[in-house]
Amino acid sequence: AQTVTQSQPEMSVQEAETVTLSCTYDTSESDYYLFWYKQPPSRQMILVIRQEAYKQQNATENRFSVNFQKAAKSFSLKISDSQLGDAAMYFCAYRSAISGAGSYQLTFGKGTKLSVIP
Amino acid sequence: DTEVTQTPKHLVMGMTNKKSLKCEQHMGHRAMYWYKQKAKKPPELMFVYSYEKLSINESVPSRFSPECPNSSLLNLHLHALQPEDSALYLCASSLPYSNQPQHFGDGTRLSIL
Repeated sequence: AQTVTQSQPEMSVQEAETVTLSCTYDTSESDYYLFWYKQPPSRQMILVIRQEAYKQQNATENRFSVNFQKAAKSFSLKISDSQLGDAAMYFCAYRSAISGAGSYQLTFGKGTKLSVIP
Repeated sequence: DTEVTQTPKHLVMGMTNKKSLKCEQHMGHRAMYWYKQKAKKPPELMFVYSYEKLSINESVPSRFSPECPNSSLLNLHLHALQPEDSALYLCASSLPYSNQPQHFGDGTRLSIL
């Protein structure tokens, strides 16, 4: 079974500064997908960024980028130029690429609560 | 605006009541999911429907009964719930067997008296 670990229960960052959220995972599979989801107090889980394991290039989405280290099974999220609206719970998630029931299941980490200080 | 719509936003019910949660999407997704989320915890998968057929049931108690009447609609029927069932219930949808992510609704906040 896969596991996802987020070792930072809470983080804070000054507005306009950069912050990195950590995520490690454990799997025996070679092909899979990794995601970062954001959940503000409004409750909706919002996709921030995704990475396919077979791609060596790190994914980027505007101010959000990842550092994907497949050998180390690490998938950290960097938020640049932090904004007040970035304050939320961030979940790292893993999904198998193997066809079948496993491809439906998202394995979530416990989450990191990010606070943005004005 | 979310592309996955859940109703109601909030629900308070007694342990003897019967109620239903509704989820709707019009993105052409053929996989739909129910999750339960307790405060400060990640979502826990309950059920998965693929092409309107139940694909995964994560050993959920029978007081929760899912239904997928068509490819756009997913219901969760509730009966004789317990106080520990109070939680945020999230619906999600995705393209099945693809690298596309799950899209989540805003959730229904359920309180059991």
